[in-house]
Amino acid sequence: DQQVKQNSPSLSVQEGRISILNCDYTNSMFDYFLWYKKYPAEGPTFLISISSIKDKNEDGRFTVFLNKSAKHLSLHIVPSQPGDSAVYFCAASDYNAGNNRKLIWGLGTSLAVNP
Amino acid sequence: NAGVTQTPKFQVLKTGQSMTLQCAQDMNHEYMSWYRQDPGMGLRLIHYSVGAGITDQGEVPNGYNVSRSTTEDFPLRLLSAAPSQTSVYFCASSPDLASSYNEQFFGPGTRLTVL
Repeated sequence: DQQVKQNSPSLSVQEGRISILNCDYTNSMFDYFLWYKKYPAEGPTFLISISSIKDKNEDGRFTVFLNKSAKHLSLHIVPSQPGDSAVYFCAASDYNAGNNRKLIWGLGTSLAVNP
Repeated sequence: NAGVTQTPKFQVLKTGQSMTLQCAQDMNHEYMSWYRQDPGMGLRLIHYSVGAGITDQGEVPNGYNVSRSTTEDFPLRLLSAAPSQTSVYFCASSPDLASSYNEQFFGPGTRLTVL
C-alpha cells in the first residue's frame, strides 16, 4: 500500500510554461516532505523540502506547496526549461518518529520539457 | 570531491552467486545507506549506518549484509543472489542521521540482474 502516491507517471510541458507535479500521502503523521530529481543513469539529487508548519517553500524557480488537510503537496517549476526534464520523486517522513523515522518514497513522475 | 561513488555500474549474476557492491564517499559523512529501486515501487531502504562500526536494518534487509569499517566505505554483500534481487541499487550519504531525512547525496547506482 503506497503511503506516498504520485499518480501521474509522466508529464509533458512546453519550455517557458509552468510544470506542476503532484504528490498525495495517506499517513497523517508525515510532517516533512521532500522532492528529489533524477536524471537517467544518475542517482537522485535533492531539490527542495517543506515542513508541515509551512504551506509554501520557494527556491528560485521551484516552489513546493503543502495542503495538510488534503494530504497533498505539489511542486511548481516556473518557468520550465529543457534541463528540467527528469524524473521527480516525492518523499515523506514522520519527523517525530524517533528511531522509527524513515523516508517513504513515491514512484516518481517523468517530466519532459519540450523546446 | 568525487561525492558518492559506486562500483560496478552493471552486473549480471547467476542464481546462488555472491558479490559485493562497493560504495565510497569522500565527504566525511557519518550516515550512509543502501536503497533498491524496483519498477512499481519507490526507493526502499535496505541497510544503513550512522557511523563506522554501526549498522542497522532498513525495510528490506533480507539477503543482504553490510559492514562499516571506515567512515568512507559501505559495501553491500549479496550472500546468495536470487532473481528477486534484480534491481537498481543506490548508495547514499548525509552528514548525520538527522540530516538524512532532508538532503541525501546519492551515487549513480548499480544495475544488477540475477539470472
